[in-house]
Amino acid sequence: GAGVSQTPSNKVTEKGKYVELRCDPISGHTALYWYRQSLGQGPEFLIYFQGTGAADDSGLPNDRFFAVRPEGSVSTLKIQRTERGDSAVYLCASSRGTANTGELFFGEGSRLTVL
Amino acid sequence: GENVEQHPSTLSVQEGDSAVIKCTYSDSASNYFPWYKQELGKGPQLIIDIRSNVGEKKDQRIAVTLNKTAKHFSLHITETQPEDSAVYFCAASITGNQFYFGTGTSLTVIP
Repeated sequence: GAGVSQTPSNKVTEKGKYVELRCDPISGHTALYWYRQSLGQGPEFLIYFQGTGAADDSGLPNDRFFAVRPEGSVSTLKIQRTERGDSAVYLCASSRGTANTGELFFGEGSRLTVL
Repeated sequence: GENVEQHPSTLSVQEGDSAVIKCTYSDSASNYFPWYKQELGKGPQLIIDIRSNVGEKKDQRIAVTLNKTAKHFSLHITETQPEDSAVYFCAASITGNQFYFGTGTSLTVIP
């Protein structure tokens, strides 16, 4: 498709389990972002990739969260030992990648519920 | 880091009236200010943006103003229509890579 694709759209898991969320950015976009959006809040920055490398991971809340983008395209956000507080919509966005070019193109998000 | 505050959190207007949403930011180094519209179950979508070297920008019924001295910027929607109903987020960025979002304004346009 032409837009940012995220899978799964919904994920329900139990506390303590491991979760992977996948993002397929727009073709040719070198920059990829992960955000977390809790109910009634704005998107909260987690991590930003330029190509294959994490250019800024300062938003990851703790070491249970990790993200990879091994070939500079698809990215996976990995959450270990999930906690109820991890429940949120995880948004992925991509952009052309040049600083200050502006527009982020968001996917529809992966809604994670930790029981 | 940057802190972006947005108000009001909810806004209801009659169809045809204007809507104004305001944001303030804390870091004077921020130089790029986009506005995103988020419909239910969708990801945010850029509707307009402004850079710090410009005071105002218009695109049809939508305009954004920026006051760098006061560190605030506003979204103005004129002649509102029911399809304008959504959640609107402002954001600020220094590098064009990390974006700090406001908490959102839920706009309802009453037909």
